[in-house]
Amino acid sequence: GAGVSQSPSNKVTEKGKDVELRCDPISGHTALYWYRQSLGQGLEFLIYFQGNSAPDKSGLPSDRFSAERTGGSVSTLTIQRTQQEDSAVYLCASSPRGDTQYFGPGTRLTVL
Amino acid sequence: AQSVTQLGSHVSVSEGALVLLRCNYSSSVPPYLFWYVQYPNQGLQLLLKYTSAATLVKGINGFEAEFKKSETSFHLTKPSAHMSDAAEYFCAVNPPGDDKIIFGKGTRLHILP
Repeated sequence: GAGVSQSPSNKVTEKGKDVELRCDPISGHTALYWYRQSLGQGLEFLIYFQGNSAPDKSGLPSDRFSAERTGGSVSTLTIQRTQQEDSAVYLCASSPRGDTQYFGPGTRLTVL
Repeated sequence: AQSVTQLGSHVSVSEGALVLLRCNYSSSVPPYLFWYVQYPNQGLQLLLKYTSAATLVKGINGFEAEFKKSETSFHLTKPSAHMSDAAEYFCAVNPPGDDKIIFGKGTRLHILP
């Protein structure tokens, strides 16, 4: 069956531009997570959606970062006015609630 | 707050030798525990998970982990390393009643020929 997909797989942008990263979770999974993985670092939690509940945004590093999830399915992570320190791999995961998370392949963001 | 500690950001073992990756968690109540593996340029893949059944959990690719409540540990082992095991390994904990999973910082496993 289809797993978690993310697009684009690679994104190169200039400092100050906005970017949108997309995540398509596994059908039927109510929970969706975004993480950031920087070189040599672990997984940094960004935001968590669960069903129709208000998202847990406690991991977003600044107000330049936002995310939405439409119709309980597809999610978009938006980074405004990108900075070089935003360069990282952004991973999305979905799960059937509090259980095993299934990860997408990630989007590698490079800010020049 | 819950936390996960992985001892050693890099571990090197010879091909055919025992693999031991260490993970300790902090929780007053036994949580669910996971090990994930990340191969180069890929997302994370579940290796195994502990959900309060058997304390010795067997996963894919010959890996297993043992939950030890007295030591708050969930170390990952494999009897004989293979070159294809070279990857980054993440231990993670799901505290009871919490939907989020907390990841450790990862251990990069190097296999020496």
